[in-house]
Order: sequence, then C-alpha cells, then structure tokens
Amino acid sequence: NAGVTQTPKFRVLKTGQSMTLLCAQDMNHEYMYWYRQDPGMGLRLIHYSVGEGTTAKGEVPDGYNVSRLKKQNFLLGLESAAPSQTSVYFCASSYYRTNEKLFFGSGTQLSVL
Amino acid sequence: AQKVTQAQTEISVVEKEDVTLDCVYETRDTTYYLFWYKQPPSGELVFLIRRNSFDEQNEISGRYSWNFQKSTSSFNFTITASQVVDSAVYFCALSDDKIIFGKGTRLHILP
Repeated sequence: NAGVTQTPKFRVLKTGQSMTLLCAQDMNHEYMYWYRQDPGMGLRLIHYSVGEGTTAKGEVPDGYNVSRLKKQNFLLGLESAAPSQTSVYFCASSYYRTNEKLFFGSGTQLSVL
Repeated sequence: AQKVTQAQTEISVVEKEDVTLDCVYETRDTTYYLFWYKQPPSGELVFLIRRNSFDEQNEISGRYSWNFQKSTSSFNFTITASQVVDSAVYFCALSDDKIIFGKGTRLHILP
C-alpha cells in the first residue's frame, strides 16, 4: 500500500529558482492538501483541493501555486523560491470530506539558500 | 474565524507520570470535527482520534483519553502512565470547511 507519496524527499534551491513538489495518492481520495511545517508554527495549510480540477487557498498561500489536473495528483509549485520558504512540506489526502482523518505523506525537506 | 490554540509549547514529565495536553479551539460553525495527531521523532504524522461537535462523550483508548467540553471549547488529551515511546509532538486540529492545526506541544518523557 503506497498511500500518499511525495517527491522529492529533499531539495536545495537557490533564491529565485523554481520547482514543483509532487503528491500522489492511490486511495481514490477526493480531498488533497499541502501544509508546511516550521519550528514553533505547527502545520499551516497552504492550498487544498476538494476534487479534480479544483483548488482553494489555505492560511499561507502567497508564493505558491497548485494544480489538480488528475484526481490522484496534487502539485505544489514555487515560481521564485525565497529563503522564507525553507520548510518541511507535507501533503495529505482524505476520502471525501474535511471531517475525515488525513493520510499524510512522509514530507519534503526544502532548503532555499 | 477558525483557530486552534495549544498553549503548552513543551512539556517534560518522568516516565509513568500522567500528562494532559491542552487544546482550545474557536469556530463559528455548529458542526465541526476535532482531531489529535502525533508526530514522533521519525517525522511522520499519525492520526490518533476524531471527535464530532455533537458527541461530547469522553473517550478512552488504552493509556490515552480525550476530554471534549463544548462549553469551554476544549478538547484535551491525557496520557496515563506515560512511556518513553510517547515522546513526540502532538497536534490538535479543527475541521469545518478546511482543516487547521494548532502549533503543537512537544512532549518529552524522561526515563
């Protein structure tokens, strides 16, 4: 059972570079989420999607874009990385509604120099 | 606005002591869900419990128990007879139209 898979697991970027984080789930979940985790800040919601072709802003959406072209994939893009985006990024999914438990990926450690 | 407050940033207790992690939430919705997740040192996030706003019954699962009080907007988590393996960061979360997490409480269980 793969569950929720995030790639890559680690990445180092220079300021101004762009990159895309991929989240894939094989559980046929409708809802998918991107969170960032910073020391002392807990998990903060960046963007989420309630189904294929939909996206919505979370608590801290600035500097990020997302796409959900296929139900199983949720992409997080950084167009011009900044040091403030150094963080651990978690993708999560849930079956249908936000009242269901989240299944998390193992995280991506991103450093922006 | 949706908000989750975990006032305890870090707690240290000696093994076998009981410990309670506090969670206070704010929401305008009458229907919502509350969760606790655990993040051990390995970094993965593990679901512990879900509770809906209509069910104020306390729940016990082994050494873990949860106290939900709507009147005080609190959903506290107690570990009885703590063990070193309980050392982790614990997150409380609130769900109405989206899922918001508190900042977490780092729990150290000392041998």
